Amino acid sequence: DIQMTQSPPSLSASLGDKVTITCQASQNINKYIAWYQQKPGKAPRQLIRYTSTLVSGTPSRFSGSGSGRDYSFSISNVESEDIASYYCLQYDNLYTFGAGTKLELK
Amino acid sequence: QIQLVQSGPELKKPGESVKISCKASGYTFTDYAMHWVKQAPGKGLKWMGWINTYTGKPTYADDFKGRFVFSLEASASTANLQISNLKNEDTATYFCAREIKGGFDYWGQGVMVTVSS
Repeated sequence: DIQMTQSPPSLSASLGDKVTITCQASQNINKYIAWYQQKPGKAPRQLIRYTSTLVSGTPSRFSGSGSGRDYSFSISNVESEDIASYYCLQYDNLYTFGAGTKLELK
Repeated sequence: QIQLVQSGPELKKPGESVKISCKASGYTFTDYAMHWVKQAPGKGLKWMGWINTYTGKPTYADDFKGRFVFSLEASASTANLQISNLKNEDTATYFCAREIKGGFDYWGQGVMVTVSS
């Protein structure tokens, strides 16, 4: 099974900051990674698929990059509505979520 | 519009069974696989497996083999998750999610299952 190591577990940012979350897969996942945002009590919302493709409705301040085993997700100019938990998901071989990153306001 | 609407919260005792449903609307149910995801209180997301909505064939992640059963009522565009012999560690929110080529796009609202004596 593919393991996804997501870091950091938590992140504190000020409004307007740029933040970056990383996910490292235990093997090459051929760019088959998606990123999700989850707010308390809500279902996850897909933001990015296939490493860097923004899902319709995702603001352009969100971005993703990477290849092979290493991937990153960034939010430039953090806004208050971005306060949430974020998860990566590999879908190259079955499915595995990262452990999540909780983004808080500093 | 596309919607996945799940059944309501459940309170069960250890050893009992529970069946939760996920009713799809706004698209052809059999065109997309349905997945199940577990989220324990305060914890992350864990993929449980999926069901082929065309053939009805289920596939279970390793940690969910044995007490977990995925089924369909295709005529009602509904996917079901049944958990038998409930344990305290089954206390969680369970989501259904529609599969696309890039992961999961639409999700149900989640069903909270509480197992307590």
